[in-house]
Amino acid sequence: DIQMTQSPSSLSASVGDRVTFTCRASQTITNSLNWYQQKPGKAPKLLISAVSTLQSGVPSRFSGGGSGADFTLTITSLQPEDFATYYCHQSDSTPYTFGQGTKLGI
Amino acid sequence: QVHLEQSGAEVKPPGASVKISCKASGYTVSHYDIHWVRQAPGQGPEWMGLVHPGGGRIVYAQKFRDRVTMTRDTSTNTVYMHLSSLRSDDTAVYYCAREVVAQGSDSFDIWGQGTLVTVSS
Repeated sequence: DIQMTQSPSSLSASVGDRVTFTCRASQTITNSLNWYQQKPGKAPKLLISAVSTLQSGVPSRFSGGGSGADFTLTITSLQPEDFATYYCHQSDSTPYTFGQGTKLGI
Repeated sequence: QVHLEQSGAEVKPPGASVKISCKASGYTVSHYDIHWVRQAPGQGPEWMGLVHPGGGRIVYAQKFRDRVTMTRDTSTNTVYMHLSSLRSDDTAVYYCAREVVAQGSDSFDIWGQGTLVTVSS
């Protein structure tokens, strides 16, 4: 199974900050890397697919990058609604796997 | 409107089984795989498997292969996930999610609201 490791596990930031999360796969996964945002009591929401493709309706302050086994999610100019937990997800091979998440707090 | 509606919360004793439904609407159901993902309290999501509503393709994660059955009812656009021999560590929120494929990557663009399964004696 492909293991997904996210860092940091938690991060404190302020409105207006720029933050970057990282996700490392245990092997090369081509471009099959997705990012989700989850708020308490809600289902995950797809933000970015295929490393860097922003989903419709997702603000342009979110961006994804990386290749091979190392990937990033960057949020520029944090807004109050961005405080949530973020998960990376590989769909290169089954079993699909998720990282343990990065919790973004104030 | 594209929507996945799941059945309600369940409380089961250890050793019992649970069956969760996921009804799809607002899109051509047979065109998209439906995946099942669970999330234990305070943990990241965990993929369990997928079922293609319009055909016979079903894939299970090895971890659940001997306890899970995923089925579909094409007449009602509903898929089901049955998990047997429940243990306390099966306590989790179970989600169904629609798969989309773009730029060669499968991702989950629509999720059900989640079904809390509590395993407790």
